[in-house]
Amino acid sequence: GENVEQHPSTLSVQEGDSAVIKCTYSDSASNYFPWYKQELGKGPQLIIDIRSNVGEKKDQRIAVTLNKTAKHFSLHITETQPEDSAVYFCAASKGGSYIPTFGRGTSLIVHP
Amino acid sequence: SQTIHQWPATLVQPVGSPLSLECTVEGTSNPNLYWYRQAAGRGLQLLFYSVGIGQISSEVPQNLSASRPQDRQFILSSKKLLLSDSGFYLCAWSTSTDTQYFGPGTRLTVL
Repeated sequence: GENVEQHPSTLSVQEGDSAVIKCTYSDSASNYFPWYKQELGKGPQLIIDIRSNVGEKKDQRIAVTLNKTAKHFSLHITETQPEDSAVYFCAASKGGSYIPTFGRGTSLIVHP
Repeated sequence: SQTIHQWPATLVQPVGSPLSLECTVEGTSNPNLYWYRQAAGRGLQLLFYSVGIGQISSEVPQNLSASRPQDRQFILSSKKLLLSDSGFYLCAWSTSTDTQYFGPGTRLTVL
């Protein structure tokens, strides 16, 4: 089955810096890669996703890149703000499967 | 637009007591439904998923069970809670687009 590795487990940055979270996956048939943000005591919220037919997607300060050959994808947050502090999860799934495989999460701490 | 509800938001139960957590989805038909548990504030453990009424798949053998009595209702149950059942329970839904959307969660503490 699919295996998703996520790094780092904890990331501490200063406000205004950029943050990068990386995930690798094992199943080359995976073609959908969402990212979720989970604030303390709340359910994960989808913040951006990418499908395998594109290499990069941006939404304001957030971007996701995908390298299908190397089987890794990354979340980039620019100009970080304290409200970006949360746990971020990556996931991978493939068409026809109802079950995504999640990474173990990255705790992002943005210091003001 | 679609919304997902979970209740209760928090629950404190003694060991050996029964459990019933409810999840409902609005604004979509025939969704796939999921129950996850999150311990220690980090990883997401898939417990059950359902692709239709009465169709339940279990991912982890344990003292929990799930039922789907209606198209947009998913229930997580236990006859006798264990200390290890404590955690944050999340319901999620998806359609054919693969994207899962999570509910607000239920914090369960078993004492």
